[in-house]
Amino acid sequence: DSGVTQTPKHLITATGQRVTLRCSPRSGDLSVYWYQQSLDQGLQFLIQYYNGEERAKGNILERFSAQQFPDLHSELNLSSLELGDSALYFCASTYASYGYTFGSGTRLTVV
Amino acid sequence: QKEVEQDPGPLSVPEGAIVSLNCTYSNSAFQYFMWYRQYSRKGPELLMYTYSSGNKEDGRFTAQVDKSSKYISLFIRDSQPSDSATYLCAIGDYGGSQGNLIFGKGTKLSVKP
Repeated sequence: DSGVTQTPKHLITATGQRVTLRCSPRSGDLSVYWYQQSLDQGLQFLIQYYNGEERAKGNILERFSAQQFPDLHSELNLSSLELGDSALYFCASTYASYGYTFGSGTRLTVV
Repeated sequence: QKEVEQDPGPLSVPEGAIVSLNCTYSNSAFQYFMWYRQYSRKGPELLMYTYSSGNKEDGRFTAQVDKSSKYISLFIRDSQPSDSATYLCAIGDYGGSQGNLIFGKGTKLSVKP
């Protein structure tokens, strides 16, 4: 157990739907990162939050949004889902360095 | 040119072999270099972390950085079947405009008993 908890582990949903992925960072970590991993693109950075505020944005679609709550857990919202959104979504956390600790991921399948 | 290039493999070696995994990068501003290991259906886990040119050793693993050539390597000595996984290089420019890591696509390694 890495200390980073992601739920749910698996999610199957239909095109056009909206889902929410949840991440609880490791105790004491202030930064949360979201990554998308697909077979052809590898790990792609989506967005970073630090202590509740958005810090950096990567290749995140407008249909996707995220937030970090006062208790530091984070949620990634994916809407108007398309088949191409099927991927593994990872959350990682860190305190102040590049030693990212990853969760086990949420496998999203859009049918 | 992509920011980080990594040979996807797959790479298959016999147990006990020395494995060499490599990445190249394009931006000389990158200062931090990491290797992650990812087992199937798991999240990546940090293996090695360095910020300077040269070698860093940890047990059977050695990370090598050549900033002049923008080239990083991971060597695994006496490889074991348990080393079978996908290895991802990751590079960052801590303090720069992007406070995040850029990952290579990963090299899938299989160590045969």
